[in-house]
Amino acid sequence: AQSVTQLDSHVSVSEGTPVLLRCNYSSSYSPSLFWYVQHPNKGLQLLLKYTSAATLVKGINGFEAEFKKSETSFHLTKPSAHMSDAAEYFCVVSHLQGAQKLVFGQGTRLTINP
Amino acid sequence: DTEVTQTPKHLVMGMTNKKSLKCEQHMGHRAMYWYKQKAKKPPELMFVYSYEKLSINESVPSRFSPECPNSSLLNLHLHALQPEDSALYLCASSLLPGQGREPQHFGDGTRLSIL
Repeated sequence: AQSVTQLDSHVSVSEGTPVLLRCNYSSSYSPSLFWYVQHPNKGLQLLLKYTSAATLVKGINGFEAEFKKSETSFHLTKPSAHMSDAAEYFCVVSHLQGAQKLVFGQGTRLTINP
Repeated sequence: DTEVTQTPKHLVMGMTNKKSLKCEQHMGHRAMYWYKQKAKKPPELMFVYSYEKLSINESVPSRFSPECPNSSLLNLHLHALQPEDSALYLCASSLLPGQGREPQHFGDGTRLSIL
């Protein structure tokens, strides 16, 4: 069975400071991991994905995530927050093969203070 | 701009109405999905189509009826909905069914309100 735990339901940072959104996963197989962002009244936009290649994954808008198998973690980071980063973020896991279902974390709401 | 287009963006309907949601993608994807998302929650999978055939139905009530007329189009027919069906309905697609390394691409959704 697979599961995803986003360790913070809400994160608040000041503009220009680093962002850290934490995600731990559980998977019996080699997982693919994704981070999606959802702005208000919008769909989910793919930020980045890990599929068993490089463990440090770079995504759009300056975000990156590091896959750490020993810690079963896939935390999302950004060096400097921008006001436009305020949104809901979902950590997601799927199987490498045979997967038509995604397992979503509960989401982390990111607030950016001016 | 999203590559998965959903119409309408907003829909208000009574419990006795019949309406349809439409989803379109032109990326050549052969897997398409319907999700339901309630406020402050992650999306919940409803249906999966693989090569235009229904492959997964997550025990969705029969008042929701999906249809995949061709590889680019996905419809969700609605009839006799309940107030608890009010939600954001998201469509997604991915390149090949069953390939977990391929991400799903989401539309912006239809905001459905049941009176």
